[in-house]
Amino acid sequence: EVQLVESGGGVVKPGGSLRLSCAASGFTFSSYSMNWVRQAPGKGLEWVSSISTSSSYIYYADSVKGRFTISRDNAKNSLYLQMNSLRAGDTAVYYCARDPTVTTRPDWGQGTLVTVSS
Amino acid sequence: DIQMTQSPSSLSASVGDRVTITCQASQDISNYLNWYQQKPGKAPKLLIYDASNLETGVPSRFSGSGSGTDFTFSISSLQPEDIATYYCQQYNNLWTFGPGTKVEIK
Repeated sequence: EVQLVESGGGVVKPGGSLRLSCAASGFTFSSYSMNWVRQAPGKGLEWVSSISTSSSYIYYADSVKGRFTISRDNAKNSLYLQMNSLRAGDTAVYYCARDPTVTTRPDWGQGTLVTVSS
Repeated sequence: DIQMTQSPSSLSASVGDRVTITCQASQDISNYLNWYQQKPGKAPKLLIYDASNLETGVPSRFSGSGSGTDFTFSISSLQPEDIATYYCQQYNNLWTFGPGTKVEIK
């Protein structure tokens, strides 16, 4: 069974930093591109960043470019999101999600809440 | 960047009604479109993948159609447990989500 478990969320002051982790199991992590998606309270879903299998291709939403860094450790079956210069507008539940392939569907974790507040 | 529009933003229907939601992409995305259901406090749940394929275990009252830029999602007979927000998502070029449609019972 595919499992994606996010951790690292919490309360942080504006301008602060936080590192999210996503532990993957139940599939060959190194074979899948991965994504971070967020959802602000009461709002819709927003794609944040994606990373290819070997980290060769990395993309960011304009809203986080230059502040967030996505990375992965295939040996540890883990995905990360380093978030710097956090703003109130970054307050959201952050989900990690596996890219679909021809034969597999996307899978999502349950999310971790990040609150940016003074 | 590919933009997704979705309508309506909300709807209210009676149990047993047919419900239809439309989603439009700003450029051709072929059939690289998913539909999700999200209930409060929960992660999105995949209902339809590749525009028209029903995910395993999802009731057959849910369906999807379309290709290119115009897509439709339907619930053939609305049930109380279908109260949720529904999102379309393109994955032809990175990911983009529609703004969502909140479905309520009249």
